[in-house]
Amino acid sequence: GNSVTQMEGPVTLSEEAFLTINCTYTATGYPSLFWYVQYPGEGLQLLLKATKADDKGSNKGFEATYRKETTSFHLEKGSVQVSDSAVYFCALSGGSGGYQKVTFGIGTKLQVIP
Amino acid sequence: GAVVSQHPSRVICKSGTSVKIECRSLDFQATTMFWYRQFPKKSLMLMATSNEGSKATYEQGVEKDKFLINHASLTLSTLTVTSAHPEDSSFYICSARDPGGGTTEQYFGPGTRLTVT
Repeated sequence: GNSVTQMEGPVTLSEEAFLTINCTYTATGYPSLFWYVQYPGEGLQLLLKATKADDKGSNKGFEATYRKETTSFHLEKGSVQVSDSAVYFCALSGGSGGYQKVTFGIGTKLQVIP
Repeated sequence: GAVVSQHPSRVICKSGTSVKIECRSLDFQATTMFWYRQFPKKSLMLMATSNEGSKATYEQGVEKDKFLINHASLTLSTLTVTSAHPEDSSFYICSARDPGGGTTEQYFGPGTRLTVT
């Protein structure tokens, strides 16, 4: 079955620091990959996505590239802000699990300090 | 983009009572919706798949008599936590995929915080 592994947090960074949150996946076929963000007390919001190998998803300064050869989808941002403090979930759908089901990683809490 | 709503956003109930949570797709029809549970500092756990007009499909380890799911229309699924206990306190999130949207993206509701006292 499908699975997603992402680094456990918390990750604490100073404002304007570079962010990387690692994510690797296991799936057969060609899944779609996602990053979701959850701000304190709220539900999940889609941050970015990529649907095929070598695609780069980007939004709000965040980027992630679908690397099939390394089965990875690492999230990066060049300069984080305090407002980026949240929990970030790597996820996938498709592959052997079918497109209806979303498999989530454990979530990485990011705290950005001024 | 497609919007999914949940009601209520927060609910506090006494042990032994039942609580109903609604999940609605506001601008699309969803034949399938999903219910997740999120434990503190943990990821989302899929509880069940809600199918319009038929029985829900529960994940292994989820008690179907405890968590009743009804998907009565193409825009509404409900999750009823029966005879709630403090260990049922959690954050419940629903999602749906827009079959006419042309993407594999799931749209998530804002979640419902359930506290059982």
